[in-house]
Amino acid sequence: DVKVTQSSRYLVKRTGEKVFLECVQDMDHENMFWYRQDPGLGLRLIYFSYDVKMKEKGDIPEGYSVSREKKERFSLILESASTNQTSMYLCATFTWKAGPEEGRSGANVLTFGAGSRLTVL
Amino acid sequence: DAKTTQPNSMESNEEEPVHLPCNHSTISGTDYIHWYRQLPSQGPEYVIHGLTSNVNNRMASLAIAEDRKSSTLILHRATLRDAAVYYCILRDPGNQFYFGTGTSLTVIP
Repeated sequence: DVKVTQSSRYLVKRTGEKVFLECVQDMDHENMFWYRQDPGLGLRLIYFSYDVKMKEKGDIPEGYSVSREKKERFSLILESASTNQTSMYLCATFTWKAGPEEGRSGANVLTFGAGSRLTVL
Repeated sequence: DAKTTQPNSMESNEEEPVHLPCNHSTISGTDYIHWYRQLPSQGPEYVIHGLTSNVNNRMASLAIAEDRKSSTLILHRATLRDAAVYYCILRDPGNQFYFGTGTSLTVIP
């Protein structure tokens, strides 16, 4: 099974600090994603990447940047953390799932890390 | 605009079947229907997906309405370990996933 590892489960930072959230996947997948999850808002896509050194903005990229220097690692960067960036951050990659029954087509599904809960004071 | 609509919460008794509904009235012909669940303190995990026909796997069954505007995730015998938030999601041909706020399932012993 694909493993997605987020380096920090819990972080506490101060307003204005630079924050790095690291994510590593072990299956050489091209596609990687960063989401944030907030109560009542569900999961929202921040940035995604389809290959090394390639990045695309998601739905809420403001205040964030990303880095993809190696295929297995996708980093989310908060240049100057603010209190409204207190959230759960989830990294994901694609996994191919065969169809659940013989003859049915498969599909790309998301495999998530355990999440990084960031508190900005 | 939300692409899927689910009840905020549901309850089920242990060892009874659970039917989790989802409405997706704006679904397009090429959107896949995915279900994920999120256990406490974990990231979401894949449960099942489908396009037009009902499907089954070892975790659950997915019943898709004929017009594809709604679907139902079926857990055949709920266990305490099935207590989670269940997300019904549409995936478009560009591999974009649209998450809603999900249904929080409580399983009563």
